[in-house]
Amino acid sequence: KAGVTQTPRYLIKTRGQQVTLSCSPISGHRSVSWYQQTPGQGLQFLFEYFSETQRNKGNFPGRFSGRQFSNSRSEMNVSTLELGDSALYLCASKGQGNSLTEAFFGQGTRLTVV
Amino acid sequence: QKEVEQNSGPLSVPEGAIASLNCTYSDRGSQSFFWYRQYSGKSPELIMFIYSNGDKEDGRFTAQLNKASQYVSLLIRDSQPSDSATYLCAAGGGANNLFFGTGTRLTVIP
Repeated sequence: KAGVTQTPRYLIKTRGQQVTLSCSPISGHRSVSWYQQTPGQGLQFLFEYFSETQRNKGNFPGRFSGRQFSNSRSEMNVSTLELGDSALYLCASKGQGNSLTEAFFGQGTRLTVV
Repeated sequence: QKEVEQNSGPLSVPEGAIASLNCTYSDRGSQSFFWYRQYSGKSPELIMFIYSNGDKEDGRFTAQLNKASQYVSLLIRDSQPSDSATYLCAAGGGANNLFFGTGTRLTVIP
């Protein structure tokens, strides 16, 4: 069974640009969550999608957005990139849409904003 | 503010010893607790999860939960150099997202 797949693995962007990251969850999983990981802040929750609907959102500005497709694949978009957006972006896939189910992480996308 | 607190370490133990990692959480509504291991440059890997008060054992790993004290711990017995990593504690609540601590860096000295 394939794991969670994130593409691309690495990205370098310039301030002001926008970027789209992709996440394909484990087959059969319908919940996809996105996290930002930085050395100073640790892992912070961005948002969660379940059956194409955003169910939860963390405390990030509106420049961060996402969506989920009918096949459960999810994309995350960051517009007007800032230097502080440089981070490892991780997506996590869950089989069930509840808090008692363990989440499995993809390898992440390392975004560098210059 | 839902917070999960961990000692950042680093925690160093000799090979073969027991490593004890601790975590406290602030939200009494949290129902599930997870320990992830993260090697440098890699993504978090789930090691254990626990929902009920008490101990849960899986091989060399034991997770302990005390909801009254809002305390979660992970014990690693017979620590190996390959256990050297950052260990992340996470709490899950009704909002279906995870709140992570900043992690404890463990080094097992051969």
